[in-house]
Amino acid sequence: SYVLTQPPSVSVAPGKTAGITCGGDNIGIKSVHWYQQKPGQAPVLVMFQDSDRPSGIPERFSGSNSGNTATLTISRVEVGDEADYFCQVWDNDSDHYVFGTGTKVTVL
Amino acid sequence: QVQLVESGGDVVQPGRSLRLSCAASGFTFSTYGMHWVRQAPGKGLEWVAVISSDATNEFYADSVKGRFTISRDNFQNTLYLEVKSLTIEDTAVYYCARDGHGSNTGFDYWGQGTLVTVSS
Repeated sequence: SYVLTQPPSVSVAPGKTAGITCGGDNIGIKSVHWYQQKPGQAPVLVMFQDSDRPSGIPERFSGSNSGNTATLTISRVEVGDEADYFCQVWDNDSDHYVFGTGTKVTVL
Repeated sequence: QVQLVESGGDVVQPGRSLRLSCAASGFTFSTYGMHWVRQAPGKGLEWVAVISSDATNEFYADSVKGRFTISRDNFQNTLYLEVKSLTIEDTAVYYCARDGHGSNTGFDYWGQGTLVTVSS
């Protein structure tokens, strides 16, 4: 089955840039989606199809995907961005949906 | 506005069954695929199952195939998940989520989840 690997944690100072990676075999040919989950809340879609932002998501959030790594970038990080972030793809070989292992973003 | 409200979570003994529901409103339910996703305490997200808009196709995670059944009632705007032969490892918050409009655009709306606790 397809596996997506994320770093367990990323720390960033307010106002700086955070990059969250999502590694998968040839992930560059897949569409990657990203979710933000704050404690006690449901996940929220923050990026779809690699680099498209849903309505209401700040422009500070951007995405890219190439080769074996997809990246969610948060610019000008705010305290409110502190959350768990999960990447996700559809594995067409198995018709299964796969989530990454998740990254906890801490704003110092 | 789009709303998804799950219900049916409970504390149950291993081996028992449960039916989870997800009431949808604020959109044309019958035109969207729907998913169940679960999250064990302190763990990550695990996709469980998907059903197409017209209920003609269903797919399941290997961990639940043969024990869980996803279904929907497009007249009642409700999604279901029948869970059988529950084990301790099925303890989790179960979320329903809407498949985004168009092909492979992510899960664009989520409910708040319902907690299933399997314990003897």
